[in-house]
Amino acid sequence: DQQVKQNSPSLSVQEGRISILNCDYTNSMFDYFLWYKKYPAEGPTFLISISSIKDKNEDGRFTVFLNKSAKHLSLHIVPSQPGDSAVYFCAASVRGGSEKLVFGKGTKLTVNP
Amino acid sequence: DAGITQSPRHKVTETGTPVTLRCHQTENHRYMYWYRQDPGHGLRLIHYSYGVKDTDKGEVSDGYSVSRSKTEDFLLTLESATSSQTSVYFCAISEEWGANYGYTFGSGTRLTVV
Repeated sequence: DQQVKQNSPSLSVQEGRISILNCDYTNSMFDYFLWYKKYPAEGPTFLISISSIKDKNEDGRFTVFLNKSAKHLSLHIVPSQPGDSAVYFCAASVRGGSEKLVFGKGTKLTVNP
Repeated sequence: DAGITQSPRHKVTETGTPVTLRCHQTENHRYMYWYRQDPGHGLRLIHYSYGVKDTDKGEVSDGYSVSRSKTEDFLLTLESATSSQTSVYFCAISEEWGANYGYTFGSGTRLTVV
């Protein structure tokens, strides 16, 4: 049973426009969410996170929005740049306890010049 | 970058042979993880370690074993490799338990079982 879902395998946007990557989760116990970015032949790298006590977290061009009632989060990249082209993984966890990070399947973002 | 290296980076092996992948860290982090990445499946946890000689299973542990005899090394062993274990394997480390402390990933090992 997939607890973290990224239903769009790929997304293509023009340079300078907004990229919106979506993620849904089913486990209501999740209270911490992260986005990782992965380039080919490299390991995933942490991008941005959000705690369930917030509904928005911003870091430069990257903003993550959390809608707890809908069990939905999204990553906005504004403006998108060709260097943002990568696979983006959404991940979720329950703080403390024995829970580990649960990852979605990833969305491949392509930013066209 | 965090000091985490995986070896080998690429390996081709035959079905039925044993294979060991190595993860080495220089950060003295307590927690280490092995993930596999497959198309359509994302990242799935194989095994993890919460200290020397302390390990536990993840969601896809069948066919894999691990060992951690030193803080810096976490070994993943495929006792008898199968084609279904063809994948990219990532090691990750974290200083404390919990996602909010972040995972740092290695560059991966691409394993092909023929």
